[in-house]
This record gives sequence, structure tokens and C-alpha cells, in this order.
Amino acid sequence: ETGVTQTPRHLVMGMTNKKSLKCEQHLGHNAMYWYKQSAKKPLELMFVYSLEERVENNSVPSRFSPECPNSSHLFLHLHTLQPEDSALYLCASSQGWTGSSTDTQYFGPGTRLTVL
Amino acid sequence: GQNIDQPTEMTATEGAIVQINCTYQTSGFNGLFWYQQHAGEAPTFLSYNVLDGLEEKGRFSSFLSRSKGYSYLLLKELQMKDSASYLCAVRDPDSGNTPLVFGKGTRLSVIA
Repeated sequence: ETGVTQTPRHLVMGMTNKKSLKCEQHLGHNAMYWYKQSAKKPLELMFVYSLEERVENNSVPSRFSPECPNSSHLFLHLHTLQPEDSALYLCASSQGWTGSSTDTQYFGPGTRLTVL
Repeated sequence: GQNIDQPTEMTATEGAIVQINCTYQTSGFNGLFWYQQHAGEAPTFLSYNVLDGLEEKGRFSSFLSRSKGYSYLLLKELQMKDSASYLCAVRDPDSGNTPLVFGKGTRLSVIA
């Protein structure tokens, strides 16, 4: 039980579909993250939110659109994805993101996304 | 630039000891993390080193040498459930706003 939940766990979508991934953290943290994990590649940071404000966007294509309505919830809206976007999408949270020792990131179980 | 290297795969025997190495080249350094990730599951936090030396936590220990840009994760009394990927991650404050830079992970297989 990590305290970070993600839904759905598995998602199959066509390239013209619109879907959303949801993340919720129950740890009272102030920072939330979206990562992409592809086979044989390192975890890639996509977005960082601190206190509901986006603080980092690592040149992610606009077909991925994040939303953070409050410090406990994070969404990733998907539209017109490509087959190469198929991957495991992981959400994480931490107390802060300033680089102190308390900023250990805790991960959710991920959403396995397949784009047909 | 940033580079984190780990072996891709390792195999070890149940009950044995295994050491997973991680070397890094980053502009700055503010801590190194080890995570364990079972297939299809979330990465779970194992250890954090920011000063040189050994941190011990039960069967798992992590070592850091900042001057050598080197860390290892030591797993003792291996169990079958330790079969997983082990991710090394470095916090580089000079990399802009990216909190952590991850290696590709080491897939450990524990065999009977």
C-alpha cells in the first residue's frame, strides 16, 4: 500500500480517442509527478506540479495535457496519441520538490497504456 | 550532461548475496535513491544516500562514494521475492527543475 493510487490500471485506445488517466495521493504531499516508463529506457519525467502549479514540463508533446485540480489529484488527458506512446505511465508524489532529504518520491502502480 | 549506468541484468542464487552497482556522471549531486520495482507494479523506495558511506536497512544496504560517482545496493540472504528491477536515481540540482534522473534499472533474477 503506497498511498498513491492510479486508475485505470490498463487502457487500450485508438489514435483518435480521448481518454484521461487519474492519480490520487493520500499522503498529504504537496508535489505530484507524471512519468513515462518504456521498455529498456529510464523513467522519463513528463510533468511536475507543486501546490497545484505546474513547475516543469519536459518538452512533452501537446497531445498529453496534465491537470492538477488540488494537491491530492492529478490527471493526464490524452488525445490523438501515437502507437509509440504505448508505455507504463507512473504517477508519484513527494512532500516537496526542492531537493531536500524529505522529498522522496512515492509511486503509484501505473497505468499500462496501449495505443492501437 | 547526465549519465547513470547500471548493469542491465543479473542472476543470483537464493540465500546468496548480490551487489548491484550504479555509476553516475551529473553536473551536481544532492542525493542518490534506490527503488525496487516488481513487474507491473509501482517502484517502491528502498534507500537514500547523500553522504559517503554505508546505509543499512535489514537485508538491504546501500553505499555511496561521491568522489567516485559510485553507489551499490547490497542484498543479503536473497529470497525469490527479491526478483525485481532495481532503479538507481540521482538528484541533480544543476539540471534545472528535474528532481530525479533515473538509470535504466537492473533486472535481478533470483534462482533456486
